[in-house]
Amino acid sequence: GAGVSQTPSNKVTEKGKYVELRCDPISGHTALYWYRQSLGQGPEFLIYFQGTGAADDSGLPNDRFFAVRPEGSVSTLKIQRTERGDSAMYLCASSSQGAGGSPLHFGNGTRLTVT
Amino acid sequence: GDSVTQMEGPVTLSEEAFLTINCTYTATGYPSLFWYVQYPGEGLQLLLKATKADDKGSNKGFEATYRKETTSFHLEKGSVQVSDSAVYFCALMVIQGAQKLVFGQGTRLTINP
Repeated sequence: GAGVSQTPSNKVTEKGKYVELRCDPISGHTALYWYRQSLGQGPEFLIYFQGTGAADDSGLPNDRFFAVRPEGSVSTLKIQRTERGDSAMYLCASSSQGAGGSPLHFGNGTRLTVT
Repeated sequence: GDSVTQMEGPVTLSEEAFLTINCTYTATGYPSLFWYVQYPGEGLQLLLKATKADDKGSNKGFEATYRKETTSFHLEKGSVQVSDSAVYFCALMVIQGAQKLVFGQGTRLTINP
């Protein structure tokens, strides 16, 4: 079946611009996660949704970052006033449960480059 | 805070060689431990996991044993193949509502024929 889909696969933007990154999770998965992976590093947690609500947004680095999941399926990560330090691979993952048990299924990521 | 330290890469081996990638962790509570793999051009995939001390996770010929006394979860394979070339990430999870994984920095493995 279809896995986690992320679009676009690559995004180049200028410093100061606004960007949106989309994640389409596996159908029926209630839990959705965003991670950020800088070059040469492991992924770092950003935010977790259970259904439509953000259950844990403790990993968002500052208020320029925001994410939504209005219908409990597709999620959008929004970054305002982008900075060069935001350049990274943004990963989305989904699972059928929020806590424990089922594994996370990761998408291929969106590589964001801020020039 | 919780953290994972894994062997720095890159690691280059010949086919059929023995592989060890070291991983140690620091955590409050009792974490579950994971190895994820990222093949070229693909997303992260769960390779194996262990949820409590002395558990051994295994998959595709890879093994790792949860050692609480040494806070380690080293990845091993007896005979590697060219197709094992990938980036390997050790990770821990302390379940506090969400499955928040804490990853190591990754180890790039290249297997030469």
